[in-house]
Parts: sequence; C-alpha cells; structure tokens
Amino acid sequence: DAKTTQPTSMDCAEGRAANLPCNHSTISGNEYVYWYRQIHSQGPQYIIHGLKNNETNEMASLIITEDRKSSTLILPHATLRDTAVYYCIVRVADNLYTGTASKLTFGTGTRLQVTL
Amino acid sequence: DAGVTQSPTHLIKTRGQQVTLRCSPKSGHDTVSWYQQALGQGPQFIFQYYEEEERQRGNFPDRFSGHQFPNYSSELNVNALLLGDSALYLCASSLWQAPPKDTIYFGEGSWLTVV
Repeated sequence: DAKTTQPTSMDCAEGRAANLPCNHSTISGNEYVYWYRQIHSQGPQYIIHGLKNNETNEMASLIITEDRKSSTLILPHATLRDTAVYYCIVRVADNLYTGTASKLTFGTGTRLQVTL
Repeated sequence: DAGVTQSPTHLIKTRGQQVTLRCSPKSGHDTVSWYQQALGQGPQFIFQYYEEEERQRGNFPDRFSGHQFPNYSSELNVNALLLGDSALYLCASSLWQAPPKDTIYFGEGSWLTVV
C-alpha cells in the first residue's frame, strides 16, 4: 500500500472550516483514498473515501488533486466534537475473491484541535 | 443493525499470563481483522480471518493467535504477555468480496494493561 504523509497537528476555530491535507505521491491507479478519525480512546470512525473525483457526504468533503498525489479533507463547520486524530489511508482496490483490500495501513495521523 | 462489538472493554493482566479478546462483526460482514494500537501510535494490523482461516498476518510474533467461528465472530489470543503488549486492541469487520467501496467498521476496542 502507498504511504501517506500528514501534518502532526492542526488547530481550527469552532465554526470555521478545517482543511486537513494528505500527501500520497506514490498512490497507484487502483488505490482509493480513505479518511478515518479517532476520538480519544474510541475505535476509528469512517469519514469518507474517493478514487478520482471529489466526494461529499454528511460529514465532510474530500478533494483529490487531478494527479491524485494529494488530497484534502474538509470539515465545513468544525465543532468541538470534531477534535480527534484524523488518518488518511490509501487502500488497494482488489475486486474479487481476495480480502487484501480489508487491511488498512495507518500512519500517525493529524491531531486536530478545535477551539472556542 | 448492530455494529462491531468487542469484549471486555478493559482488563488488567500480569506478565506471562494469557488473554483472550472477543469480537462480533457488524451484521452481514464475514471478515474480521485485529489491530493493536499502542499509546500515541496509529493502529497496527495483526491478522485477518475469513472462513475461519487466517488470511493475512502483520509483523507480530506467534504469541498472537486467533480464531474465527462459524457465526463470523472472532477471538484474539495473546500468550506469555509482555509489558509491551499493553495497548488498545481493535476489531474491524468487512466483507471479503466487496472491497473497496464497502466500508470497514471498527469496534470501540479492548484496553489491555499488562503489569
């Protein structure tokens, strides 16, 4: 799996957009970009994923550059409850009869602190 | 729809002892993976079970073993516990044949402290 690089920590004021960058310059054509977050002492929570196009769901937006070498997770209106460690992960897109895509390789993530 | 459930939530063991952690995957999922997360680190993949067989394994010694039952639930066993085994142990469930659009779901984890 391709490796990812994320800043160690970031701060964001409550109500503002939080933009979390991720570099994945060695990503392969068959690898998706996934984002998970982990609130203190809890299990990782799925946020969003994408392959080429930008994606949006009720939690966040994912912007992937055209060359797919980097991406940005956007939390449009950060709240105190968004304080967590955010992990950017690339995941191989095996199609059938193999579970290798079920293995996630975590880095150390970005610790986002949302403040009043 | 039940999510991923793990037990126990917390436990304390003594060096040299053995521990068993349990996991029930999300309803409809057939693959269980286990991760170890030391304090301040990201989760590290231990192994994965599908059809009651170990399918992939990370860089962990054979003191770490597992089992999957016909109902897809799983156990993680660690023998001869070391102080360094103190960590949060996470269970993740997924579908074997539905990557990558299918999401991997995690349980809340089991905190193991070895003294």
